[in-house]
Amino acid sequence: KAGVTQTPRYLIKTRGQQVTLSCSPISGHRSVSWYQQTPGQGLQFLFEYFSETQRNKGNFPGRFSGRQFSNSRSEMNVSTLELGDSALYLCASSNTGRNTIYFGEGSWLTVV
Amino acid sequence: DAKTTQPPSMDCAEGRAANLPCNHSTISGNEYVYWYRQIHSQGPQYIIHGLKNNETNEMASLIITEDRKSSTLILPHATLRDTAVYYCIVRPAGDAGNMLTFGGGTRLMVKP
Repeated sequence: KAGVTQTPRYLIKTRGQQVTLSCSPISGHRSVSWYQQTPGQGLQFLFEYFSETQRNKGNFPGRFSGRQFSNSRSEMNVSTLELGDSALYLCASSNTGRNTIYFGEGSWLTVV
Repeated sequence: DAKTTQPPSMDCAEGRAANLPCNHSTISGNEYVYWYRQIHSQGPQYIIHGLKNNETNEMASLIITEDRKSSTLILPHATLRDTAVYYCIVRPAGDAGNMLTFGGGTRLMVKP
């Protein structure tokens, strides 16, 4: 069974640009969550999508957004990139209820 | 959300048991304790979880105290590949169950 797949793995963007990251959850998983990891703030929850609806949201500005498609695949978008957005962005998937949450390998974003 | 407290770092000799403590004194009755680890530059890897009984799988054992205010993750025979940051997380109940709050974790260094 394939794990959580994130693309791209590495990317470099310029300040002011926008970026879209993609996540394919484990087959059958309907919940997709996104996290940001930086050296200063650690791992922080961005948002969660379940059945194409945002179910939970962390404390991030509106420049960070996401969506989920009917096949449970998810994308997150960051607009008007700032240097501080440089981070490892992690996607995690799970099924309903108490099922274990599994993480992807992440997308490394560098903003220059 | 229930918070967790872990020592920032620990050392362990290769082949010996690594015992990683976690304090979660404000845990609620229906909240599970989860352990993940993160090897440098990779996504967090699920290790084990439990509610109130001790648990064991092929990777580790989880010992939860009777009052559930603390737990210990045990790696029975640590290897160099177990060097990682280990996160103890209290998973919220209900629809917020996929919003994980990561603390600083314990950086385990396994030494030859």
